[in-house]
Amino acid sequence: GAGVSQSPSNKVTEKGKDVELRCDPISGHTALYWYRQSLGQGLEFLIYFQGNSAPDKSGLPSDRFSAERTGGSVSTLTIQRTQQEDSAVYLCASSFDKVYEQYFGPGTRLTVT
Amino acid sequence: DAKTTQPNSMESNEEEPVHLPCNHSTISGTDYIHWYRQLPSQGPEYVIHGLTSNVNNRMASLAIAEDRKSSTLILHRATLRDAAVYYCILRAAPGGKLIFGQGTELSVKP
Repeated sequence: GAGVSQSPSNKVTEKGKDVELRCDPISGHTALYWYRQSLGQGLEFLIYFQGNSAPDKSGLPSDRFSAERTGGSVSTLTIQRTQQEDSAVYLCASSFDKVYEQYFGPGTRLTVT
Repeated sequence: DAKTTQPNSMESNEEEPVHLPCNHSTISGTDYIHWYRQLPSQGPEYVIHGLTSNVNNRMASLAIAEDRKSSTLILHRATLRDAAVYYCILRAAPGGKLIFGQGTELSVKP
């Protein structure tokens, strides 16, 4: 079946611009996660959604970062006023429920110039 | 979150078994031990997880020490495709986010 998909695969933006990254989870998965991977920081958790519960935003690095999940399916990660340190690969994952294994998408490579 | 310690890198020969160690001396009773791996230019993929007993699946085996302070991921016959970064992660019982460490970079020689 279809796995987790993310778009765009690559995004180049100028410092100060806003960007939106999209994640389509596996159908039927109630939990959705965002992570990012940069050379200096490794893989770090950003935010996760579980069903209708309030999202766990504990990993968001600043208030420039936000995410929403509409209709319990597609999620959008928004970064406002991008900075060069936001350059990273942004990974989305989903799982059947929060206790189950996570399936990762291919990621969106964000470059802020 | 309890931390794990893994060697930065390991080497293996193709078709030989590989034992990837992980130390987690501060593990709590409700922490599950998860292993994920990340192949080059891909997102991580789930390998295996366990709580107390040894576990086997089609990809690997997980051997957990009796005191649960360490575990070992066993690849029974390494292939070139198994070259990846392997992450040992402790996740509390309610589930949710994964906290990744630096992992072990496994290289496989033909």
